[in-house]
Amino acid sequence: EVQLVESGGDLVQPGGSLRLSCAASGITFGTYWMTWVRQAPGKGLEWVANIEPDGSQRFYVDSVKGRFTISRDNAKNSLYLQMNSLRAEDTAVYYCVRDSPLLLTYDLWGRGTLVTVSS
Amino acid sequence: ETVLTQSPATLSLSPGERATFSCRASESVSTYLAWYQQKPGQAPRLLIYDASNRATGIPARFSGSGSGTDFTLTISSLEPEDFAVYYCQQRSNWPPITFGQGTRLEIK
Repeated sequence: EVQLVESGGDLVQPGGSLRLSCAASGITFGTYWMTWVRQAPGKGLEWVANIEPDGSQRFYVDSVKGRFTISRDNAKNSLYLQMNSLRAEDTAVYYCVRDSPLLLTYDLWGRGTLVTVSS
Repeated sequence: ETVLTQSPATLSLSPGERATFSCRASESVSTYLAWYQQKPGQAPRLLIYDASNRATGIPARFSGSGSGTDFTLTISSLEPEDFAVYYCQQRSNWPPITFGQGTRLEIK
């Protein structure tokens, strides 16, 4: 079955760290750009970061630069998001997303994992 | 950053009616614009890519048009399952990729 399954979401205190994982199945993971998109409660979608198939290029939204790191392990069909120095405004559902062959158009989404930053 | 502004914020219509959603970009995105549908508790689903191309499995009642800064998503005759939130997204000027704030389609 073609799917993306996120894990690692949790309640964390401001300033804390968390690592999200995304397990891909049913796709040739190592050939796709991968992306994290987040959605704060009751709000719209926000692109967070993406990574090219071999991991050599990574891009971030300004609000997470220097705090978040996107990475991947193609041998394990897995995508990761290391989140440090977390803030209340990082509270959101984080979606793991596959770029379509068109690049930067998102044709496969996971169900999301909830990160809550609160004391 | 390219800002996408969607209008209206909420659209109230009945099944069988025609729905029209607008997305305006702060600068030209050529035709590099996509539309997504999101239902409560679900992940978004790709409907339209590159302004006017339906994604795999999307019914023909969904259509997209536009180029440059002004784009439209149209649902020709609303089905009960179409009531959801709709987002536009541009991939022309990045990073960052940007989404509109969404339009909620509700049953009248």
